[in-house]
Amino acid sequence: KAGVTQTPRYLIKTRGQQVTLSCSPISGHRSVSWYQQTPGQGLQFLFEYFSETQRNKGNFPGRFSGRQFSNSRSEMNVSTLELGDSALYLCASSLMGGKEETQYFGPGTRLLVL
Amino acid sequence: AQSVAQPEDQVNVAEGNPLTVKCTYSVSGNPYLFWYVQYPNRGLQFLLKYITGDNLVKGSYGFEAEFNKSQTSFHLKKPSALVSDSALYFCAVSFASGGSYIPTFGRGTSLIVHP
Repeated sequence: KAGVTQTPRYLIKTRGQQVTLSCSPISGHRSVSWYQQTPGQGLQFLFEYFSETQRNKGNFPGRFSGRQFSNSRSEMNVSTLELGDSALYLCASSLMGGKEETQYFGPGTRLLVL
Repeated sequence: AQSVAQPEDQVNVAEGNPLTVKCTYSVSGNPYLFWYVQYPNRGLQFLLKYITGDNLVKGSYGFEAEFNKSQTSFHLKKPSALVSDSALYFCAVSFASGGSYIPTFGRGTSLIVHP
C-alpha cells in the first residue's frame, strides 16, 4: 500500500504570495490532518478533514485554509504569506480519526518564505 | 486541558547502553498515548501506542514504553541503543474534539547515540 504523499516537497515563496500544498492519504483513509512544524513552536495542529468536511481546527489565522476532495485528497492554502510561515508542513492520514488510530505521516513540504 | 510534556530537549547515550526518553501527560479520562520518531528531513513514523491493557507496550525497532497511571508518565525505553536510533522523538496524547480524536504532541526530544 502506498504511503501518504505530499507535493511539492520544497517550495520557495516571497512575502505576500499565496501557496497551495497537496496531500494524498493512504488508500481507504478518510481523515486527513495538517500540522505545521517549526523549531520554535514544535508540531502544531492546523486542521483535520473527514469526508470533505473540516472537523477540527487549530489556533491559526484565517490565512490558513484547506479542503478535502471526494477521493480524500486534501489541499491546504496559505494566503498573504509571512516570513513566520516558513516551516515544514506535514500531512497525516488515518482511517476515521478514531482515538485508537495511528496517524500515518507524509514526508512533508518544506516552505521557505523570503 | 490535555497536554503532554517531554522534559528533556536532548538525551545522550552511548551505543549499547539502555536509553529512556521521558514523557508525562495530563488528560481527563483514559489516555491514548503514542510515540513517534522523526528522522532528518522526513515525516513522523509511528513507534508504539498505549490504548488499554498491559502497562508495558512493545513497538517497532526494539522500543518499548511503560505506562504509569499514578505518575501520569509514558516513558520510551530501549535496552540497547544503536547509533541509528539517533533521531527526534515525539510523545503524543490523543483527545476527543469535534467528533474525532486529535493528537497533541510534545515538543520532541532529540536522542543522540554516540558510537
